[in-house]
Amino acid sequence: SQELEQSPQSLIVQEGKNLTINCTSSKTLYGLYWYKQKYGEGLIFLMMLQKGGEEKSHEKITAKLDEKKQQSSLHITASQPSHAGIYLCGALSWGYGQNFVFGPGTRLSVLP
Amino acid sequence: DTGVSQDPRHKITKRGQNVTFRCDPISEHNRLYWYRQTLGQGPEFLTYFQNEAQLEKSRLLSDRFSAERPKGSFSTLEIQRTEQGDSAMYLCASSLAANPLSVGNEQYFGPGTRLTVT
Repeated sequence: SQELEQSPQSLIVQEGKNLTINCTSSKTLYGLYWYKQKYGEGLIFLMMLQKGGEEKSHEKITAKLDEKKQQSSLHITASQPSHAGIYLCGALSWGYGQNFVFGPGTRLSVLP
Repeated sequence: DTGVSQDPRHKITKRGQNVTFRCDPISEHNRLYWYRQTLGQGPEFLTYFQNEAQLEKSRLLSDRFSAERPKGSFSTLEIQRTEQGDSAMYLCASSLAANPLSVGNEQYFGPGTRLTVT
């Protein structure tokens, strides 16, 4: 079955700093999704990447997909306290049928 | 309709009791997913429906778990004879998918039901 790994596991940055979170898949990616989760709440959809080399941006968050490396990165520019939370990558997994897998998440804290 | 809703938000039950959770998806979404999430982990896929048909069920899912989506709208997840290991956040999500073989679009999640089994 497909597995997603994320790095780093947790991150503490000073407000205004840039940061990058990585997601690596054990198998070929057929689309990669990024979500954000506040503690104890549901997930908020950020972006979906489907093609190798694809890059998408929303406000100060940019995500890229490197299909050959089976990897995606999420970059936050000039971080703010509102960016704090858990960032999760997810992907469609084709194994025994179709299901969806998530990485373990990266916990981001932004210090004011 | 502002999003996916789940009920209840919190449930405390004693070991051995049955519990049922409800999920109301975004109205035009034909696909519905159930996940389980424990502290410090990402959501773990349980099952999903395309309209009223349950198309996939995790092989890791105990037979104490059952889900239904009788009219292709809301869904229920029932856990029978709960165990302490069932304590987790149960998340529901919905999306649009053209057909059962379609990858589907992004999933929109509800706030979750937090289950505590004592």
